[in-house]
Amino acid sequence: AQSVTQPDIHITVSEGASLELRCNYSYGATPYLFWYVQSPGQGLQLLLKYFSGDTLVQGIKGFEAEFKRSQSSFNLRKPSVHWSDAAEYFCAVVAGAGNKLTFGGGTRVLVKP
Amino acid sequence: DVKVTQSSRYLVKRTGEKVFLECVQDMDHENMFWYRQDPGLGLRLIYFSYDVKMKEKGDIPEGYSVSREKKERFSLILESASTNQTSMYLCASIKRLDYEQYFGPGTRLTVT
Repeated sequence: AQSVTQPDIHITVSEGASLELRCNYSYGATPYLFWYVQSPGQGLQLLLKYFSGDTLVQGIKGFEAEFKRSQSSFNLRKPSVHWSDAAEYFCAVVAGAGNKLTFGGGTRVLVKP
Repeated sequence: DVKVTQSSRYLVKRTGEKVFLECVQDMDHENMFWYRQDPGLGLRLIYFSYDVKMKEKGDIPEGYSVSREKKERFSLILESASTNQTSMYLCASIKRLDYEQYFGPGTRLTVT
């Protein structure tokens, strides 16, 4: 069965520092991968997605992610975080009929001034 | 802009009550989903529907039922609410051949 693991439950970064969030997936076929962000009190917003092609994908808000098939990973990065990036981030993979998503447990990002 | 709305942002119910959570989308999406979100567990799929009057169980359907009488509306029903159903509930919708799900703002349900 498909699964998604986000090893880091919490990450604290200083404003202006770089950020990397890890995501590992387990899925037999070519995965369709997503990163979503949930700001406090909000629903989920799509940051970026990978279906095929270039393994480095650009998203909104200055985020990018790199798909590495050999490592079954899809890590999210941002070169310089802003205080507004404090949120919870979810990695997800499309799995099964109906385009259902399987989510990782989420990583909560805190940004220090 | 796709809009997915949920009937309540916050809800407090008593144990044993019947609870209805409503979700409406305005983009003519065929597929709709109900998730619950708990700390450390991410989002887990409760039920989904790929057409009017059609429903499929997700990963954690126990204690829940759903109703989809109209394409734009998908309701989650807790027949007899229990304290372990205290959670954040998120609704999402998607066009049948698409992959990007659009989420509502969520309903934080507390069962006392």
